[in-house]
Amino acid sequence: DIQLTQSPSSLSASVGDRVTITCQASQDIRVYLNWYQQKPGKAPKLLIYDATNLKTGVPSRFSGSRSGTDFTFTISSLQPEDIATYYCQQYDNVPSITFGQGTRLEIK
Amino acid sequence: QLQLQESGSGLVKPSQTLSLTCAVSGGSMTGGGYSWGWIRQPPGKGLEWLGFIYPGGSSYYNRSLKSRVSMSLDVSKNEFSLRLNSVTAADTAIYYCATVGPYQVLSLEYWGRGTLVAVSS
Repeated sequence: DIQLTQSPSSLSASVGDRVTITCQASQDIRVYLNWYQQKPGKAPKLLIYDATNLKTGVPSRFSGSRSGTDFTFTISSLQPEDIATYYCQQYDNVPSITFGQGTRLEIK
Repeated sequence: QLQLQESGSGLVKPSQTLSLTCAVSGGSMTGGGYSWGWIRQPPGKGLEWLGFIYPGGSSYYNRSLKSRVSMSLDVSKNEFSLRLNSVTAADTAIYYCATVGPYQVLSLEYWGRGTLVAVSS
């Protein structure tokens, strides 16, 4: 099965900072990677699909990129409402669809 | 905009069967190119994909659940269901239903609010 290694597991940043989370796939998954935001007590919310595509209505400070099997999720200017846990998810190898372990983002 | 709502037993005894239903509103289950999925999250832990079912009825399941899981859908009632047999305490989790898609983009766009299922005697 394809493994996703997400890092860091947690991070603390200040409002206005640029924040980066990475997700490394154990093998080539092409562009088939999505990013989600989960706030406490809520269901996850899709932010980015197919590595780089911003879902309609999601603020443009969120972005995604890909370099081979390495995927990056970026918040260009951290806002207080961005406090959440972020997950990557791959679907290259249906039915073996997997999530990363999550990154907990806190405000300093 | 699609809305999903999980329902079912919140407490299941070990070795018994967990059964949940997801009601879909705001659109048709056969339009929009969506399939229908289940995800769970043990308290304080990460997300685990359980499987999904196509509108035509074929389904894919997480191999780690082996033969314990099954999914079905009833488009006439606008709902789909999850059954998980022989549950143990490790199956205690928040269970979410979600849309899968659209079409070949297997992202989870619309989610239910989740329902906590505890496995305990």
